[in-house]
Amino acid sequence: KQEVTQIPAALSVPEGENLVLNCSFTDSAIYNLQWFRQDPGKGLTSLLLIQSSQREQTSGRLNASLDKSSGRSTLYIAASQPGDSATYLCAVYLGGSRLTFGEGTQLTVNP
Amino acid sequence: GAGVSQTPSNKVTEKGKYVELRCDPISGHTALYWYRQSLGQGPEFLIYFQGTGAADDSGLPNDRFFAVRPEGSVSTLKIQRTERGDSAVYLCASSSSGGANEQFFGPGTRLTVL
Repeated sequence: KQEVTQIPAALSVPEGENLVLNCSFTDSAIYNLQWFRQDPGKGLTSLLLIQSSQREQTSGRLNASLDKSSGRSTLYIAASQPGDSATYLCAVYLGGSRLTFGEGTQLTVNP
Repeated sequence: GAGVSQTPSNKVTEKGKYVELRCDPISGHTALYWYRQSLGQGPEFLIYFQGTGAADDSGLPNDRFFAVRPEGSVSTLKIQRTERGDSAVYLCASSSSGGANEQFFGPGTRLTVL
């Protein structure tokens, strides 16, 4: 059974800091990996989708990397802002139908 | 519409009652998914539709849960004889054709069973 783990569970940083969120998964036979952002009481916003053949994807201040062989992905956020405060979730797709999610990292960026 | 919409945004019901939660996917998306998210957890898969048919319902926790998508667009998740443990946020997602395509999520319905 695929398990997805996100470390740390919570992170608090001062504004302007660069930071890295980690995601690990037990089954390396994934088709893709998605990073999402979830604001309190809201749904999920897709940030980046990395296909299994790719090693990284970038969108603005966000960069996500994927290392299938080691079962790891990282989300790098440059020059963090208070508006980046949210819960960040990673999810892997193994084929079939479902995404399997981690429990998320709750990020707080302090002004 | 521009994105996935879900109604109601909040639903409070009493134990034992029946509830229906509605999802309107992105226009043209053939794949539709339901997930359930408990407090402090990541979403967990419930059911996947490809068109009108449920292609995978293995995530439904028991036979009190049922979902339909009669015309291949709007879907309704139905919960009979609700229990307090059913309290969660129910999320709907759609994608253009399923498979490895990106999933887009709605805002969710927060269900509270008293």
